[in-house]
Order: sequence, then structure tokens, then C-alpha cells
Amino acid sequence: AQSVSQHNHHVILSEAASLELGCNYSYGGTVNLFWYVQYPGQHLQLLLKYFSGDPLVKGIKGFEAEFIKSKFSFNLRKPSVQWSDTAEYFCAVNADNYGQNFVFGPGTRLSVLP
Amino acid sequence: DGGITQSPKYLFRKEGQNVTLSCEQNLNHDAMYWYRQDPGQGLRLIYYSQIVNDFQKGDIAEGYSVSREKKESFPLTVTSAQKNPTAFYLCASSAVGRRREQYFGPGTRLTVT
Repeated sequence: AQSVSQHNHHVILSEAASLELGCNYSYGGTVNLFWYVQYPGQHLQLLLKYFSGDPLVKGIKGFEAEFIKSKFSFNLRKPSVQWSDTAEYFCAVNADNYGQNFVFGPGTRLSVLP
Repeated sequence: DGGITQSPKYLFRKEGQNVTLSCEQNLNHDAMYWYRQDPGQGLRLIYYSQIVNDFQKGDIAEGYSVSREKKESFPLTVTSAQKNPTAFYLCASSAVGRRREQYFGPGTRLTVT
């Protein structure tokens, strides 16, 4: 079955630490890749997306992600986290051979200590 | 303001009752989706629709039903057959085509006792 995995269930960092959240997927072929963030009590918001082209994509709030096709990965990074980055982060994949469906990872909860 | 509205934000029902969750979008998107979010499991697809009067089951459709009579509306009914209905339900929409991204509503938290 097609799936998306996220390496960490809960990550705890101090402010100014660097962040990397892992995401791997199990599809072959062409994929669209996304990272969403869900701040406490708020909507799911799109952080960044990859459709094609430069595998290093930049999103909002200083986040970036790198698509490595050979590793089926799309890891999310931020050089210096802030307390306001405390949220749950979801990786999602939409594959050409999977129609309209988007498949989400289980999420990683990030807690940033002030 | 374009967006997706879901109502109500919180919903309480007794076991054995059907309940309908509302989802409306004014983004002019053809595709709409319903997800269920449970702690540690991410978002699981219940139903999706790519066009009016057509919809497909997702991974966990059992115990749920939908309709798509209008482009902007995609209500979800949680039936009494759904064994574990207490959850957070999210509605989303997207354009169709190669470069599609989803936009999400604020969600409805359903509690069934």
C-alpha cells in the first residue's frame, strides 16, 4: 500500500536550535509533495509545496524542504526555531498514479521551549 | 474572503444517532475531501469528490455517507454504523489537474457518547 512516514512522533527543541523533520513516501513515479502545519487551535496551513523543478523549496516562516528522489524523501528544515513554531507538522503526497488522493503522514509534534 | 467553512465547530451526539457535518467552499474548486484526524494517525481520507454528483470512497468510508449536489457544498453524514465516530473531521478542497494543492477548513470536533 502507498504510504507516507514521518520519522519522529514528538520533537522537543530549545529556541534557536535547528530543525529537521523527516518524511519518506513509498510511491514511484511523479509526485507532488507538501508540508502542512497545524498550530494549536488553528486550521491546517500549507507551509510549502513541491511540484517540479528545483528540489530545494522555500516556504513561509523560514521553512524549507529538500526533495531527494533517490531516497523518496522530502525533509523539512528550519535553521533556527522559535517558540511560535510549536505545532504539529504533516507531510503529504499526491501521486499521479493515485488520482486525486492526497496521503498524509502521521504527523510530528514539535515543542519549542522558550 | 475565499475559504472553507465548516459548522459547527463542536458537535455532541448520542450513540445511535446520525449526524451531518457541513462543509462549504467559495474557492470555486471542483474537488472536495473529507478527512478524519485522530491523535498519532495523521489525516485519513473518508470520501472525496472531483465533480458535482460524483464521489469516491476513501480509505475509511465505512459508516459514513456524503452527497455533492452543489459545487460549493460537500456534507458528510456520520451514521450510527460508524463504530468509533468521536474524532476531529476536516474538510478540504482543491482544483483538479496536475498542480493541485488542498485548502482546509477549521474542522468539526464530534463527540459521541
